Amino acid sequence: GQQVMQIPQYQHVQEGEDFTTYCNSSTTLSNIQWYKQRPGGHPVFLIQLVKSGEVKKQKRLTFQFGEAKKNSSLHITATQTTDVGTYFCAGRNNDMRFGAGTRLTVKP
Amino acid sequence: DGGITQSPKYLFRKEGQNVTLSCEQNLNHDAMYWYRQDPGQGLRLIYYSQIVNDFQKGDIAEGYSVSREKKESFPLTVTSAQKNPTAFYLCASSPSRGLNQPQHFGDGTRLSIL
Repeated sequence: GQQVMQIPQYQHVQEGEDFTTYCNSSTTLSNIQWYKQRPGGHPVFLIQLVKSGEVKKQKRLTFQFGEAKKNSSLHITATQTTDVGTYFCAGRNNDMRFGAGTRLTVKP
Repeated sequence: DGGITQSPKYLFRKEGQNVTLSCEQNLNHDAMYWYRQDPGQGLRLIYYSQIVNDFQKGDIAEGYSVSREKKESFPLTVTSAQKNPTAFYLCASSPSRGLNQPQHFGDGTRLSIL
């Protein structure tokens, strides 16, 4: 069945360093969504990618969708303490599947 | 404000007991979902409903039941058949279950076994 793998599971960075999380699917995806869950909170939708090779930016966040629509990445430039949380990808084929998430901690 | 309300925030269950988690939305969304989140794991789909009076099993439906008698309500019952119910339960909704619909989540219910 469809699986979505996300790495790394944890990432600890110094404030100001960059951060990247990767998402890989066993099947071609129709779209991929990214969510952020703050500690103690619920997932909040960040963005959706639909087109092959698509790149979208939100301030310091850059989202990419692979050419084969099987992988995606989220890159944060110059992390801040407000970036802490767990970042999930969710890939859709027939059904939507969430990755296990990458938990980001930022040391001030 | 429109949103999704889950209650209670914390819930304790005794062995052999059924418990029901509430989920209400005033977003006028057709589709609603229940997920289970365990530490270090992603969200796993328990049940979903695309429309009133219809629902479908997700990946881990065993030991759970749902109903969708009203558009705005999608309660989840954790039955005694669910042997490992301790988890964080998240309810979500989307305008429809279409391909490009982001999901809106409630604040979750944390269920523990006494």
